[in-house]
Amino acid sequence: GDSVTQMEGPVTLSEEAFLTINCTYTATGYPSLFWYVQYPGEGLQLLLKATKADDKGSNKGFEATYRKETTSFHLEKGSVQVSDSAVYFCALSKGRFGAGTRLTVKP
Amino acid sequence: DVKVTQSSRYLVKRTGEKVFLECVQDMDHENMFWYRQDPGLGLRLIYFSYDVKMKEKGDIPEGYSVSREKKERFSLILESASTNQTSMYLCASSPRLAGGPGETQYFGPGTRLLVL
Repeated sequence: GDSVTQMEGPVTLSEEAFLTINCTYTATGYPSLFWYVQYPGEGLQLLLKATKADDKGSNKGFEATYRKETTSFHLEKGSVQVSDSAVYFCALSKGRFGAGTRLTVKP
Repeated sequence: DVKVTQSSRYLVKRTGEKVFLECVQDMDHENMFWYRQDPGLGLRLIYFSYDVKMKEKGDIPEGYSVSREKKERFSLILESASTNQTSMYLCASSPRLAGGPGETQYFGPGTRLLVL
């Protein structure tokens, strides 16, 4: 069945460092791909998404490109901030989520 | 803004009790979902519903049932609570697109359930 494999954390970075969180998927058909973020004490919210191959989703300085050939949707940010500290989830449509990656950014 | 509300933020129940978790959304979404969130396991889909009175099992439906009598409300029922059902429960909703269930999900704040 469909599944998501996500780089597990925790990940700790210094402010202004480069971030990559890896995500690969297995799916039939052509699913939409999502990154959701959960800030401390808050519910999950959409960070970005891509609905077809080669699409790039972007929001708040984060980017991810839908790579059908490598079945990947890696999350990147060029310069992280303390306020980016959160748990990040990669997801397919139909309710398939990765295990989550906890990111801590230190000043 | 889409709003998804859950009836309780925290619940403490005893083993064997029947537990009801309620979820309401205000955006006329067709799809609604129930997940549980556990450390290291991420979100696991329990049940989802794509229309009133319609439901489908997710990955871990054992020990749970659901009810969707009205479009805006989706209830999760633990028929006889057990300690291994201690978890964070998340409800979500999404609109249905003509091409399939590929749209953004909107989540409630979660209910943290402790079964003693």
